[in-house]
Amino acid sequence: DGGITQSPKYLFRKEGQNVTLSCEQNLNHDAMYWYRQDPGQGLRLIYYSQIVNDFQKGDIAEGYSVSREKKESFPLTVTSAQKNPTAFYLCASSTRGLAVLMGEQFFGPGTRLTVL
Amino acid sequence: AQSVTQLGSHVSVSEGALVLLRCNYSSSVPPYLFWYVQYPNQGLQLLLKYTTGATLVKGINGFEAEFKKSETSFHLTKPSAHMSDAAEYFCAVNQIKAAGNKLTFGGGTRVLVKP
Repeated sequence: DGGITQSPKYLFRKEGQNVTLSCEQNLNHDAMYWYRQDPGQGLRLIYYSQIVNDFQKGDIAEGYSVSREKKESFPLTVTSAQKNPTAFYLCASSTRGLAVLMGEQFFGPGTRLTVL
Repeated sequence: AQSVTQLGSHVSVSEGALVLLRCNYSSSVPPYLFWYVQYPNQGLQLLLKYTTGATLVKGINGFEAEFKKSETSFHLTKPSAHMSDAAEYFCAVNQIKAAGNKLTFGGGTRVLVKP
């Protein structure tokens, strides 16, 4: 069964701690994305990666970091520098090239992070 | 920069009534447009997309949307609402850049279906 998995589904952390959210895909997609979702604000892009060992900042990258060492994995670290980290985090993937312009992004089930 | 505006953060409809969700976009180039649906505490699922060709696009679960270039709109409709349509709906536009392809999302519209 092809798809995107995110773990854990719920995550609680104390303020000041770094936390890493997992995202794995077996769709053989080259591109992967991280979004943050807050009520009434839609989805905002944090980071994205078009190929292994390369990634780009999105619209709200401050306080976050990523790595892309393997095609199927794109973990997101929420650092203590992120001022308001409590949110729902969604990972997505897509194919590359011209096809992606007409294509879609496939989303994982999300991780809800709560910082206490 | 591209942007997407969804009019109405909440919409309430009766079961069997028409569902109409509004989406307007701004884009300097011909856009690719998408509607996604999100059920509580889940990821997003593609409902339909417009790329080129026919401006009336049919999607899953009986939804359809019409691309109107003159109005820069891509409104989503369903003739008869079902209880299972209760969810949040997002309109998105493709943001084409040399470094890659990104989606810009609207703020979302939450649909409540009354029995």
